[in-house]
Amino acid sequence: EAGVTQSPTHLIKTRGQQATLRCSPISGHTSVYWYQQALGLGLQFLLWYDEGEERNRGNFPPRFSGRQFPNYSSELNVNALELEDSALYLCASSYSGTSGYEQYFGPGTRLTVT
Amino acid sequence: AQSVTQLDSQVPVFEEAPVELRCNYSSSVSVYLFWYVQYPNQGLQLLLKYLSGSTLVESINGFEAEFNKSQTSFHLRKPSVHISDTAEYFCAVSTHTGFQKLVFGTGTRLLVSP
Repeated sequence: EAGVTQSPTHLIKTRGQQATLRCSPISGHTSVYWYQQALGLGLQFLLWYDEGEERNRGNFPPRFSGRQFPNYSSELNVNALELEDSALYLCASSYSGTSGYEQYFGPGTRLTVT
Repeated sequence: AQSVTQLDSQVPVFEEAPVELRCNYSSSVSVYLFWYVQYPNQGLQLLLKYLSGSTLVESINGFEAEFNKSQTSFHLRKPSVHISDTAEYFCAVSTHTGFQKLVFGTGTRLLVSP
C-alpha cells in the first residue's frame, strides 16, 4: 500500500511569490491535514480537509489556503510569501477526522523563501 | 486547550544503554496520546499510541510508553538503544471529542553513540 506522497520535495521561492504544495493521501483515507514544521516553532497544525471541505484551520493568516479534490488529494497554497514561511510542510491523512484515527504522514515539502 | 511538554530537547546515550524520553501533557478533557519519530530529512512515523485499555503500549521495535493519568505523563522508554534509534521523537495528543488535531511537543533529539 502506497503511503502519503507529497510534491515537490523542495521548493525555493522569493518573497512575495506564491507557493503550491501537493499531497496525495493513502488510498481510502478521506481526511487530509497540513502541518508546518518551522525551525524553533515546532509542529503547528495548519489545515484540515475532509470530504472536500475545509473543516478547521490553525492560527495562520488567510494567505495560507488550500483545497481538497474529489479524489481526496489536496493542495496547500501560500500567497505573498514571507521569509518566515520557510519551513517543512507535512501532510497527513487518516480514515476520518474523528478523534482516535491514526494520522499517517508524508515525507514533507521543504519550502525556502529567499 | 491542550499542550504537550517535552522537557528534554536532547538526550545523549550510549548504544545498548536504556533511555527514557519524557512527555507531560495538559488537558481539561480526555486525550489520546501518540509518539512519533522523525529520522533526518524524513516525515513523521507513528511509533506507538494510547487510545484506551492497557496503559502500557509497545512498539514493534522495542519502545514502550506508559500512560499515567494522575501524573499526566506518557514517557517513552527503551531498555537498550541502537545507533539506528538516533532521531527526533515527538509526543502528541488529541482530544476524544471533535476532530483530531494533533498537538505536538517540541521534540526530543535522541543521540545514540557507540
